[in-house]
Amino acid sequence: AQKITQTQPGMFVQEKEAVTLDCTYDTSDQSYGLFWYKQPSSGEMIFLIYQGSYDEQNATEGRYSLNFQKARKSANLVISASQLGDSAMYFCAMREANAGNNRKLIWGLGTSLAVNP
Amino acid sequence: EPEVTQTPSHQVTQMGQEVILRCVPISNHLYFYWYRQILGQKVEFLVSFYNNEISEKSEIFDDQFSVERPDGSNFTLKIRSTKLEDSAMYFCASTSGGTSPHGYTFGSGTRLTVV
Repeated sequence: AQKITQTQPGMFVQEKEAVTLDCTYDTSDQSYGLFWYKQPSSGEMIFLIYQGSYDEQNATEGRYSLNFQKARKSANLVISASQLGDSAMYFCAMREANAGNNRKLIWGLGTSLAVNP
Repeated sequence: EPEVTQTPSHQVTQMGQEVILRCVPISNHLYFYWYRQILGQKVEFLVSFYNNEISEKSEIFDDQFSVERPDGSNFTLKIRSTKLEDSAMYFCASTSGGTSPHGYTFGSGTRLTVV
């Protein structure tokens, strides 16, 4: 069965420093997609970055980058130059391979990030 | 930029009452989902919907839950007789079904409190 594991319930980082949030996944599929979402205290789910299983390069989106190590089945999120507004819950999620008409996301437990001034 | 709209943003209901959570997905999207997140816990898949029928439902999605797309635009989640443990944030999402990473669009959620 597919599974996402986030082993860090909480993380602290100083403003302007970089932080890495861990995500490992388990799947027997060859084709899958990995997502990171940010959930601030207001509750909405904000898409940050995506990595496809066949993408050869690590994804980057502004201050966010994804350290994708396929052999280790890890997809860690790196946030550079942390800002106070980065304080939030961060979820790693995996999209199942194209199994018919359902492409649900499978979620990790999340990591709560606090950025200290 | 197109949005998924959810209403209401907050709802408080008494145990045993029926609630309907509403979602307006992006107009050209084909796949629709409901997820829920109990406070402080992981996001859980409830149901997916395609071509006017349920394509998959989780164990959580029991007979108390139903989904409809009554008029081709709205996508609703109904809980027939709410229980205290139904208190959660409910997210609607839609996707075009392609491989675009941005294909999943989430609504802002409905925070349901059952008292």
